[in-house]
Amino acid sequence: EDQVTQSPEALRLQEGESSSLNCSYTVSGLRGLFWYRQDPGKGPEFLFTLYSAGEEKEKERLKATLTKKESFLHITAPKPEDSATYLCAVLFSGGYNKLIFGAGTRLAVHP
Amino acid sequence: AAGVIQSPRHLIKEKRETATLKCYPIPRHDTVYWYQQGPGQDPQFLISFYEKMQSDKGSIPDRFSAQQFSDYHSELNMSSLELGDSALYFCASSLGTGADTQYFGPGTRLTVL
Repeated sequence: EDQVTQSPEALRLQEGESSSLNCSYTVSGLRGLFWYRQDPGKGPEFLFTLYSAGEEKEKERLKATLTKKESFLHITAPKPEDSATYLCAVLFSGGYNKLIFGAGTRLAVHP
Repeated sequence: AAGVIQSPRHLIKEKRETATLKCYPIPRHDTVYWYQQGPGQDPQFLISFYEKMQSDKGSIPDRFSAQQFSDYHSELNMSSLELGDSALYFCASSLGTGADTQYFGPGTRLTVL
């Protein structure tokens, strides 16, 4: 069964404490993996798209990496404004163009 | 940069009523997607349109229908509303139907009483 699993479910960090979020996927024929940030009651905000194993993308304090089985979102020296839910989603062969989302990681960064 | 526009942002309906949600994609985007997100849930794909034709269908109830118009905006029509339809409804748009990034709108919060 095509599945996307994110861990941990929730993460509490102190400001400046770096960490990584994990997204593992079991889909047939990955076409793209997407990271979004979602604040409560708002729409998912696009962060990164990764298409092939070994690819890396970076933006400010965030860096996304992709292997054949999982993706990591690394957060370096986070700030309280990085607090949000981070969603991972995939497009896969046979899934046409619908995104399959993981359950998300709720990140809280405390001063 | 222009983003996806959704209206209304909030909607309150009674059971068995109908509702229409509207979505205006990013300019030049030709593909529109609808997702439903229940409380504490991840977004679930409902339906998508490419060049005004339905391109994919997910877990959309038969009570719901949608279409994409000539100006590429889309409408999600929901009839015989049930309490369980209360959720955030997101529209997303992309350029093409490949593995292109889907950009999400701010959502419509539907509450069914």
